[in-house]
Amino acid sequence: AQKVTQAQTEISVVEKEDVTLDCVYETRDTTYYLFWYKQPPSGELVFLIRRNSFDEQNEISGRYSWNFQKSTSSFNFTITASQVVDSAVYFCALKMNRDDKIIFGKGTRLHILP
Amino acid sequence: NAGVTQTPKFQVLKTGQSMTLQCAQDMNHNSMYWYRQDPGMGLRLIYYSASEGTTDKGEVPNGYNVSRLNKREFSLRLESAAPSQTSVYFCASSEDERWGFGNQPQHFGDGTRLSIL
Repeated sequence: AQKVTQAQTEISVVEKEDVTLDCVYETRDTTYYLFWYKQPPSGELVFLIRRNSFDEQNEISGRYSWNFQKSTSSFNFTITASQVVDSAVYFCALKMNRDDKIIFGKGTRLHILP
Repeated sequence: NAGVTQTPKFQVLKTGQSMTLQCAQDMNHNSMYWYRQDPGMGLRLIYYSASEGTTDKGEVPNGYNVSRLNKREFSLRLESAAPSQTSVYFCASSEDERWGFGNQPQHFGDGTRLSIL
């Protein structure tokens, strides 16, 4: 069975601190895709990044970075020098190549305190 | 830049009433999805449509029906609304092809907040 676990329900950090959001996934498929989405207080869902299972390179985009490790089935998301605007719910998601369903984790609510 | 458009944005129903949530995308995407979001539950897939003319059940299909009217539109119907269906509903679309490229991100609508009294 496929599953995405975001063990951190809620995190609070002070502005400018670094914070890492954990994502652990389960699948027996060899080809799959991982995603992170952001849901700010306004409610919309914003795509942040996708990763293919055969590409374990980490990625950095400004203050955001992602660490994909197949050995531990993890796809963690780090925000460096956090800002209040980063406050949101962040979802990790998994999709297998063989079908069209995307499985979401339950999300991590991130509070960045001024 | 319309993207994915959902209507209505808010709706209050009485138990037993029926209604249809509308979703349209202008990105020529093949796949469309309906999710519900409940506190502490994340996003759960209700139904999806891999292409025009096809629909499949997701994780929580009971109490819902869908119609993929054409490539642009994918509607979600509650035939007899129940309080347990109070939720925020999101429609999404993506360029996925079942036997092709599976790594395209989903584009989401702004959501429909539905309350069943």
